[in-house]
Amino acid sequence: SQTIHQWPATLVQPVGSPLSLECTVEGTSNPNLYWYRQAAGRGLQLLFYSVGIGQISSEVPQNLSASRPQDRQFILSSKKLLLSDSGFYLCAWSEDSYEQYFGPGTRLTVT
Amino acid sequence: RKEVEQDPGPFNVPEGATVAFNCTYSNSASQSFFWYRQDCRKEPKLLMSVYSSGNEDGRFTAQLNRASQYISLLIRDSKLSDSATYLCAVNIDAAGNTGKLIFGQGTTLQVKP
Repeated sequence: SQTIHQWPATLVQPVGSPLSLECTVEGTSNPNLYWYRQAAGRGLQLLFYSVGIGQISSEVPQNLSASRPQDRQFILSSKKLLLSDSGFYLCAWSEDSYEQYFGPGTRLTVT
Repeated sequence: RKEVEQDPGPFNVPEGATVAFNCTYSNSASQSFFWYRQDCRKEPKLLMSVYSSGNEDGRFTAQLNRASQYISLLIRDSKLSDSATYLCAVNIDAAGNTGKLIFGQGTTLQVKP
């Protein structure tokens, strides 16, 4: 069966510091991968998606970036965090472009 | 008009009640639709997929109305454990392979004893 991991689970970072969140999927090959952010009391906002290694599409302009160095690894990064980057970051995967399954998420607080 | 809209609620219902949520979408080309359940401070979990007119799983029924561009989720015999936020999601890349979903803001359900 497939499983998806995200770490860390929680993170508190000062403004201006770098960020690296990691997501890995097991039990599937060549999945579509997605990064979402959910601000407090808000809906899910799609940030990036990837249909293959090295293929990244950005949905919204921001100071975040994503990379997919391996088939089942998806990384979300920032060089300098802003207060507005606080939120619940969720990674998801799908096969055949249908149902998406979410990881446990990383709760980021920028202070 | 937002791409996907839900009534945020909250819906407060007694145990055993039947409750229904609606979700409207703007892209008439969308082909696949989903309901997710999200508990407080947890990730969304897939509840049901809707590809044709509807889907039923136990106490849960999802229906699709393409003419009016909405999907609905009906929960019968509500349990305390059904208390959560219910998110609808719509595939907006009907012709492509990205699987991109647009999510509604979610509807909060509180089932009272």
